[in-house]
Amino acid sequence: GESVGLHLPTLSVQEGDNSIINCAYSNSASDYFIWYKQESGKGPQFIIDIRSNMDKRQGQRVTVLLNKTVKHLSLQIAATQPGDSAVYFCAENWAGNQFYFGTGTSLTVIP
Amino acid sequence: DTEVTQTPKHLVMGMTNKKSLKCEQHMGHRAMYWYKQKAKKPPELMFVYSYEKLSINESVPSRFSPECPNSSLLNLHLHALQPEDSALYLCASSQDPDTETQYFGPGTRLLVL
Repeated sequence: GESVGLHLPTLSVQEGDNSIINCAYSNSASDYFIWYKQESGKGPQFIIDIRSNMDKRQGQRVTVLLNKTVKHLSLQIAATQPGDSAVYFCAENWAGNQFYFGTGTSLTVIP
Repeated sequence: DTEVTQTPKHLVMGMTNKKSLKCEQHMGHRAMYWYKQKAKKPPELMFVYSYEKLSINESVPSRFSPECPNSSLLNLHLHALQPEDSALYLCASSQDPDTETQYFGPGTRLLVL
């Protein structure tokens, strides 16, 4: 399943499928990006980050892709599990330690 | 220890009350942050402390007063709040002001009656 961020803030996927969550960031000067996962009643949890000198970074079951030309960031989750159900935020940084969060996408995994 | 802790978890207060939110980290981080998050919205930055000094105040009303007693603690003093201030208040920390990765606490859910 795939979301388009601001235009589709919810995403439902079948357990075991791959998920793609998209984010259109705002500032072409942004040089550092983080994906956060926020479960209900909890604070945001760091998932993966990427700097602007890279276009891809992989973690455990997650991959972040950065396309600076169109100011687009995506988070790919492989073999989505029920525990992946949460709201996912992208955050961009262009001014020291100030982060600006995107709208968020709510991911629901169907068992 | 990679944990940021916040107390209390929940708080209900009247508009005339004075209360404080507390945040603590023992990771040796030298930058700490307060964010406000309304339901189904992203976190919004309120304050940044760098080396125990307030470095950023994002035009937050004076009824919110931050305090950083030492490098491990961050408080947010609340006075004469309005019902629209009801939200999840998140604390975060990062290794230093120039290291961007921030680690968040679980938040305090505040309800103003």
